Amino acid sequence: QVHLVQSGAEVKKPGSSVKVSCTASGGTFSSYAISWVRQAPGQGLEWMGGIIPLFGTPNYAQKFQGRVTITADKSTSTAYMELSSLRSEDTAVYYCARAAAAAGKPSSFDYWGQGTLVTVSS
Amino acid sequence: EIVLTQSPGTLSLSPGERATLSCRASQSISSTYLAWYQQKPGQAPRLLIYGASSRASGIPDRFSGSGSGTDFTLTISRLEPEDFAVYYCQQYGSSPQTFGQGTKLGIK
Repeated sequence: QVHLVQSGAEVKKPGSSVKVSCTASGGTFSSYAISWVRQAPGQGLEWMGGIIPLFGTPNYAQKFQGRVTITADKSTSTAYMELSSLRSEDTAVYYCARAAAAAGKPSSFDYWGQGTLVTVSS
Repeated sequence: EIVLTQSPGTLSLSPGERATLSCRASQSISSTYLAWYQQKPGQAPRLLIYGASSRASGIPDRFSGSGSGTDFTLTISRLEPEDFAVYYCQQYGSSPQTFGQGTKLGIK
């Protein structure tokens, strides 16, 4: 059974950056893409980007290009999402999610982290 | 970017009734790449259906998915109390992968 555990809630000032971690246990970390999906309060789900730890090359949604950096550390089975130039509209719960299919095939998400609330406020 | 439009936005039904949720895509997508998720308050989404019609592991058979092209449907045959939640469709065949805005299934 795969388990994804995310880092804790953050409160950030506008203009700053936040880095959220997602540590996997069970399963094979490197072969499955990890994506980041965010959900603003009372809103729907928005895919930000993802990475296949085995290859290390991230793929970002155009909306977040230049502001988001997704990395993965195979040695600790941990993926990271860093978002910079934060603004109030970035207040959201950020989820990591694992692809159901291995090796970069288009896939739904079968395992999700518990979510990390990031609040951006002056 | 493929836009997914879910309808209705809110659906009020009673336990034991049948629920039919719709997801329409702005352009044709392969049914291989359409999923449905359930989300309850304070929880992460849970995968129900992938490939438009395949149930994920552990999902009861009262949940079924169908559709092709631009029109997809999630059906819950007999609602149980635990089924009242928000449901999202997702397409993952085209980047960026996108989600619908959700259908809230409430108790009547």
